[in-house]
Amino acid sequence: SYELTQPPSVSVSPGQTARITCSGDALPKQYAYWYQQKPGQAPVLVMYKDSERPSGIPERFSGSSSGTTVTLTISGVQAEDEADYYCQSADSSGTLYVFGTGTKVTVL
Amino acid sequence: EVQLVESGGGLVQPGGSLRLSCAASGFTFSSYEMNWVRQAPGKGLEWVSYISNSGSTIYYADSVKGRFTISRDNAKNSLYLQMNSLRAEDTAVYYCARDIRKGLYNWFDPWGQGTLVTVSS
Repeated sequence: SYELTQPPSVSVSPGQTARITCSGDALPKQYAYWYQQKPGQAPVLVMYKDSERPSGIPERFSGSSSGTTVTLTISGVQAEDEADYYCQSADSSGTLYVFGTGTKVTVL
Repeated sequence: EVQLVESGGGLVQPGGSLRLSCAASGFTFSSYEMNWVRQAPGKGLEWVSYISNSGSTIYYADSVKGRFTISRDNAKNSLYLQMNSLRAEDTAVYYCARDIRKGLYNWFDPWGQGTLVTVSS
């Protein structure tokens, strides 16, 4: 089965930059999407089609892609950015959707 | 305001059945594809099933294929998930999520608040 791999955790001080990676074999052919989930809440879309930011998402969130890895970058991290982040994509056929393993971002 | 509200979760014994519902409002439900996604306690997200706006195209994750059935009633602005032969590993919060499609690509936005399904004797 298709898998997307993320680091389990990322720690960053306020005002610094957090980078969360997501690796998968089909990522050169499929876009990736990112969701933020805070404790007890539903996930919220923060990035789509690798690097496009939905309305209402702060400009400090950005995305990029290179080969089999996509990256969500949070510049100038704020305490409110502490959450779990999941990447999501599809397999090469586009009919099976998969989520990454999730990354817990801790703001020190 | 776009809103998705799940219901129907609860405690069920292994081998039992449960039907989840998702009531949609604030958008033209019949124009959108929909999904179910679940999250086991303390675990990550797992996509469960997809249905096209007309209901003619359906996909399932391998883990639920043959046991779960997704459906929709566009007249009632509602999405459903019929879950049969439930197992302990199906215990999770189940979210419905609207599918946003641009050409060949799609993503989930927004999500409902979720409903908890617990499979235990």
